[in-house]
Amino acid sequence: AQKITQTQPGMFVQEKEAVTLDCTYDTSDPSYGLFWYKQPSSGEMIFLIYQGSYDQQNATEGRYSLNFQKARKSANLVISASQLGDSAMYFCAMREGNRDDKIIFGKGTRLHILP
Amino acid sequence: DADVTQTPRNRITKTGKRIMLECSQTKGHDRMYWYRQDPGLGLRLIYYSFDVKDINKGEISDGYSVSRQAQAKFSLSLESAIPNQTALYFCATSGDRGDEQYFGPGTRLTVT
Repeated sequence: AQKITQTQPGMFVQEKEAVTLDCTYDTSDPSYGLFWYKQPSSGEMIFLIYQGSYDQQNATEGRYSLNFQKARKSANLVISASQLGDSAMYFCAMREGNRDDKIIFGKGTRLHILP
Repeated sequence: DADVTQTPRNRITKTGKRIMLECSQTKGHDRMYWYRQDPGLGLRLIYYSFDVKDINKGEISDGYSVSRQAQAKFSLSLESAIPNQTALYFCATSGDRGDEQYFGPGTRLTVT
């Protein structure tokens, strides 16, 4: 079974609208971390946001926020007021426990922001 | 200057050749990682290292080896390259809390 599932292979969103990128995960470890990365067409991987399983509040970083619903095993990325520069591939990832050998990436969602 | 650098950025090599990809970081992090990215498969972990004396296999280590020459340097080697090792390779670093990862710009490797 997939550990990280991103169900939206591609999305088209109008500029200035909010965007939600879905991510569900599967783990039996009570301690884990969830990451979101952005990969523009230039190819680099850019870290966006992190949520720990024991964190009491949803993570936020500027226009990015993580809608963490632990019971549903969901960690959706929300981008507020989207911009043309947000067009990119977005990856959700999970690290189980504190084990770096258990870092697993989803297959990504390609986001297109329309002017 | 970039915090994580990779050399070369692009490389074309022939089947059977030995090739080394190098990674350097200036963030002072102990943890370093090598990933490969294939279309439709996301990123997969090849090797990771907690410090110079601690090197561990990731999900897909077969056909690869690594060397942690110093805290700042982590090299990935393909002893005998094969075409299905054609991919985009990323180096990354992380602090002790592991709640952020910083990636290098990637090395695009083609094995013919």
